[in-house]
Amino acid sequence: DIVMTQSPDSLPVSLGERATINCKSSQSVLNSANSKHYLAWYQQKPGQAPKLLIYWASTRESGVPDRFSGSGSGTDFSLTISSLQAEDVAIYYCQQYYSIPRTFGQGTKVEIK
Amino acid sequence: QVKLQESGPGLVKPSGTLSLTCAVSGGSISSTNWWSWVRQSPGKGLEWIGEVSPGGYNNYNPSLKRRVTMSLDKSQNQFSLTLTSMTAADTAVYYCARDPGFGHDSWGQGTLVTVSS
Repeated sequence: DIVMTQSPDSLPVSLGERATINCKSSQSVLNSANSKHYLAWYQQKPGQAPKLLIYWASTRESGVPDRFSGSGSGTDFSLTISSLQAEDVAIYYCQQYYSIPRTFGQGTKVEIK
Repeated sequence: QVKLQESGPGLVKPSGTLSLTCAVSGGSISSTNWWSWVRQSPGKGLEWIGEVSPGGYNNYNPSLKRRVTMSLDKSQNQFSLTLTSMTAADTAVYYCARDPGFGHDSWGQGTLVTVSS
């Protein structure tokens, strides 16, 4: 299985400030045939299902605010919220869909400092 | 806008079998998407259980493979999950989700399944 490790586990950030979450995969999730990284990011608010934010490591899902961005390559990826809003308080997960089983990171809790 | 809705028992006895159904509306289950189940134990992270293709092919998490079966019902536009030999460790919120090939872009609201006598 590909192990996904996120850091930090908890991230207190002031409103309007930048938040960056890291995700490391235990092996590459790059498909060399199409040059795509099989990496997604999700946001989960309390009592709700996860919501897809980013796929192919950096493609924003339709309707996701542009303050959310994804980057990275190989085995190291990041999700950045450029200016934290109150509604961004949530747990964020990365997921690889390169191989079976699909695996998620343990989650990063973003809260207001 | 596709919508997914899980249904099934909220309580299962130890050693019993869980059967859940996910009804899909606003889109056809016969499309090119795969259909997945993901669970989340109380206060824990997300665990991918498996997926089924429009053609009925399956991929399962090896950790659950001996106990899992997934299938499609095209006449009802729904898909299902069966998990046998349930234990307390299987207590979780179970989500169904659509996989268009780049993650899970639509999710059901989730259903809590508790394993208890």
